[in-house]
Amino acid sequence: AQKVTQAQTEISVVEKEDVTLDCVYETRDTTYYLFWYKQPPSGELVFLIRRNSFDEQNEISGRYSWNFQKSTSSFNFTITASQVVDSAVYFCALPISYSGAGSYQLTFGKGTKLSVIP
Amino acid sequence: DGGITQSPKYLFRKEGQNVTLSCEQNLNHDAMYWYRQDPGQGLRLIYYSQIVNDFQKGDIAEGYSVSREKKESFPLTVTSAQKNPTAFYLCASSSLFGHMKNTEAFFGQGTRLTVV
Repeated sequence: AQKVTQAQTEISVVEKEDVTLDCVYETRDTTYYLFWYKQPPSGELVFLIRRNSFDEQNEISGRYSWNFQKSTSSFNFTITASQVVDSAVYFCALPISYSGAGSYQLTFGKGTKLSVIP
Repeated sequence: DGGITQSPKYLFRKEGQNVTLSCEQNLNHDAMYWYRQDPGQGLRLIYYSQIVNDFQKGDIAEGYSVSREKKESFPLTVTSAQKNPTAFYLCASSSLFGHMKNTEAFFGQGTRLTVV
């Protein structure tokens, strides 16, 4: 099976705390990419990061960091010093091929709703 | 500004009626997608299209239909055959560079459909 699992349905933290959102994936592709998206209350999904399977270095962007570990099939997302504006639903996604003809479409985890309390 | 426009933002439908959700993009993207979002279910793919006049079923295509007559437009019709159409619908597009495997999708702001 090819799928993404986000086991944490909802997380609440107090502002300035660090928080890690988990993502575990299954794929039969030897090369693949993983994505994270943010869905604020407005509804639109916003792209955060893309990571390819060749690169297991951690990625840091401001208060955001990502830890990719192929050995555990995980691509976790950490927010440092959380802020109220970080409150949103976060999705991890994996491109899979529906037609087998070389085109890929995103399959999403069920998302983690993060609430940052002031 | 480049982006994806979905309309309307809110839509109410009586049981037994067909309704059409609009999705327009000016990003010059080849591929377009429709997703359905239910609470606690994440996003599920309904249909996708990689080129004009061609489209493919996703995971939950039953009760839905699409057309792709223009590159910029990918309307979704929710038919009366869809048993439980109340949901949030998101349209997305992407370039076909890398066939979406390594290319992010851009999303519209969604249409919330309610059956009354």
